Amino acid sequence: AQKITQTQPGMFVQEKEAVTLDCTYDTSDQSYGLFWYKQPSSGEMIFLIYQGSYDEQNATEGRYSLNFQKARKSANLVISASQLGDSAMYFCAMREPNNDMRFGAGTRLTVKP
Amino acid sequence: NAGVTQTPKFQVLKTGQSMTLQCAQDMNHEYMSWYRQDPGMGLRLIHYSVGAGITDQGEVPNGYNVSRSTTEDFPLRLLSAAPSQTSVYFCASSFSGQGYSGNTIYFGEGSWLTVV
Repeated sequence: AQKITQTQPGMFVQEKEAVTLDCTYDTSDQSYGLFWYKQPSSGEMIFLIYQGSYDEQNATEGRYSLNFQKARKSANLVISASQLGDSAMYFCAMREPNNDMRFGAGTRLTVKP
Repeated sequence: NAGVTQTPKFQVLKTGQSMTLQCAQDMNHEYMSWYRQDPGMGLRLIHYSVGAGITDQGEVPNGYNVSRSTTEDFPLRLLSAAPSQTSVYFCASSFSGQGYSGNTIYFGEGSWLTVV
C-alpha cells in the first residue's frame, strides 16, 4: 500500500511568491517522522526539514516550513519567497520506528522569473 | 568529513554482466541502505542494514545482493545485470532507526547505471 502520496507531479510559482507542496501519508504508528528532501537537476538528495509526530509546533528551517496536520495525515511543505534556485524535485518521506524511510513520487517545482 | 561516498558515478553494463556499487560512510552510522530511483517513481528501497553483519530486504530486492562486514561499508552487487536495472542508485546512511523515527537519512551523490 502506498504510504506517501504527493498528488502534484509539477508546480509552477512566480519568483518571490510562496508555494505549498502537498504530502499525505498513511501509518498506524503513533510515533513517526516526516521529512522533505530537495533534488536539484544535479541529482543529489538534500535534506530540508523534519517533523516528528509528537511535535506540537510546525517545523521551520529558514524559508521552509512544514504545515503538519496530524488528524488529516498531511505534511505539506511551504516555501516562502521562492528563488530561482528552488527549482527542483521535492520528495516527502516518512520514517517509522524500526523501519526504513519511504518516499513519495515527488513534485517538480519550477520557479518562474 | 566526506559523508556518504559511492562509486562509480556512471557505469554502462552489458546484459548478464555483474558489478558492485561501492558505498562508504564516515559518520559512524549504524543504518545504511540502497535505493533506486526510476523516473516518476520516487525512491524505492532495495536492501538495508541496521549494523555490521545484519542485512535485510527492502521493497525491490530481486537481482541484488548486499553484505555489511564493517560499519563503514555497504556494497551493492548486481548478480546478472538486466535492462530493467537501468536506474539511478543511491546509498544512504543514518543513525539507527531502531525505536526512533527522527534520524534523517543522508545520501550519497548517486550512481547512474545503464544496462544495454
